[in-house]
Amino acid sequence: AQKITQTQPGMFVQEKEAVTLDCTYDTSDQSYGLFWYKQPSSGEMIFLIYQGSYDEQNATEGRYSLNFQKARKSANLVISASQLGDSAMYFCAMREGQDSGGSNYKLTFGKGTLLTVNP
Amino acid sequence: EPEVTQTPSHQVTQMGQEVILRCVPISNHLYFYWYRQILGQKVEFLVSFYNNEISEKSEIFDDQFSVERPDGSNFTLKIRSTKLEDSAMYFCASSFRAVVNSPLHFGNGTRLTVT
Repeated sequence: AQKITQTQPGMFVQEKEAVTLDCTYDTSDQSYGLFWYKQPSSGEMIFLIYQGSYDEQNATEGRYSLNFQKARKSANLVISASQLGDSAMYFCAMREGQDSGGSNYKLTFGKGTLLTVNP
Repeated sequence: EPEVTQTPSHQVTQMGQEVILRCVPISNHLYFYWYRQILGQKVEFLVSFYNNEISEKSEIFDDQFSVERPDGSNFTLKIRSTKLEDSAMYFCASSFRAVVNSPLHFGNGTRLTVT
């Protein structure tokens, strides 16, 4: 089974509107972290926001917020007041705890959602 | 703000040649990673490295791949005999701690083209 699922290959939003990018995850660990990264067309990977499995409050970072629903195993990214510069690929990723085996807690990525902001 | 730097930004090589991709992680980070992204596809884990040894590697990271931290700052990925299917963007990443709440910081990537 996929550890991270992003079901929206592409999304469109009008400038200044809000948009939600979906992410569901699969883990048996109690301790894990969920991350969102932005990849513009230039290719770099930019860290946006983090949510911990034990965090009771949804994470927020400027115009980015995370709608974390632990029981549903979802961690959707909400971008408010979209800007043209938000057009990019967005990746959801998870860092699992020790229960998952392996070490150094690698990040596992979803397939990404390509967001296009229309003027 | 400190950042991960990767060189070169773009490398073109012929099939069968050796390539070395270079990375300078953030200076106080202890955990290092290589990922690759074939064009338009997901970002795939290759290898993690800590305390001068490989901690974990994926099935992609076969005998053709190796990593090294030759000095206190550089972290390199070597592909011994490149194949066409090695064409991809290669990302180096580093992390201060190996805990679930510590993000990986990525470099801008090296786009490798094998002809």
